[in-house]
Amino acid sequence: AQKVTQAQTEISVVEKEDVTLDCVYETRDTTYYLFWYKQPPSGELVFLIRRNSFDEQNEISGRYSWNFQKSTSSFNFTITASQVVDSAVYFCALKGVWAFNYGGATNKLIFGTGTLLAVQP
Amino acid sequence: DGGITQSPKYLFRKEGQNVTLSCEQNLNHDAMYWYRQDPGQGLRLIYYSHIVNDFQKGDIAEGYSVSREKKESFPLTVTSAQKNPTAFYLCASSIPTSGGRNTQYFGPGTRLTVL
Repeated sequence: AQKVTQAQTEISVVEKEDVTLDCVYETRDTTYYLFWYKQPPSGELVFLIRRNSFDEQNEISGRYSWNFQKSTSSFNFTITASQVVDSAVYFCALKGVWAFNYGGATNKLIFGTGTLLAVQP
Repeated sequence: DGGITQSPKYLFRKEGQNVTLSCEQNLNHDAMYWYRQDPGQGLRLIYYSHIVNDFQKGDIAEGYSVSREKKESFPLTVTSAQKNPTAFYLCASSIPTSGGRNTQYFGPGTRLTVL
């Protein structure tokens, strides 16, 4: 089965602090994709990043960085110098290539339960 | 601008009524999806469609129905058979590619409340 765990339900930080959101996944696929989405209070999910299982290079985009480690099945997300506008729910998601092999819909995204990040001014 | 629109933003329904949620996209994406989000939970897949005139059940299809008569439209009907319909509904679309690497892009959502 495929599963995504975001153990941190809520995190509260003060502006300018660094914060890391954890994501641990389970899959039997050798090829898979990992995603992070941001859901601000307006409700729309905003795509942040996609990573495939063969690319373990860390990625940095401005204040955002992602650490993918296959050895620990983790895909953690760090925000540096957090800002109030970063306040949102963040979802990690997994898509296995061969999900249909065990009854899953093809191209089905498996979401974690999300982490609510509150950045205080 | 290209994107996904959902209407209405808020919807109130009396018990026993069917309601239809609209989802339209002008991204020229072949695949479209409906998800349900409940407080404190991740998104769960209701229905998906990879091509016009074809759609498949997701994990929680009971009490819902869809149609895909046009590429750009994928309306979701919440029927009276859905026992707990109050939730936030999100529509997504993507270019279906082999290997699963496609990214799903989401609309702004519809919040449905049953009175």
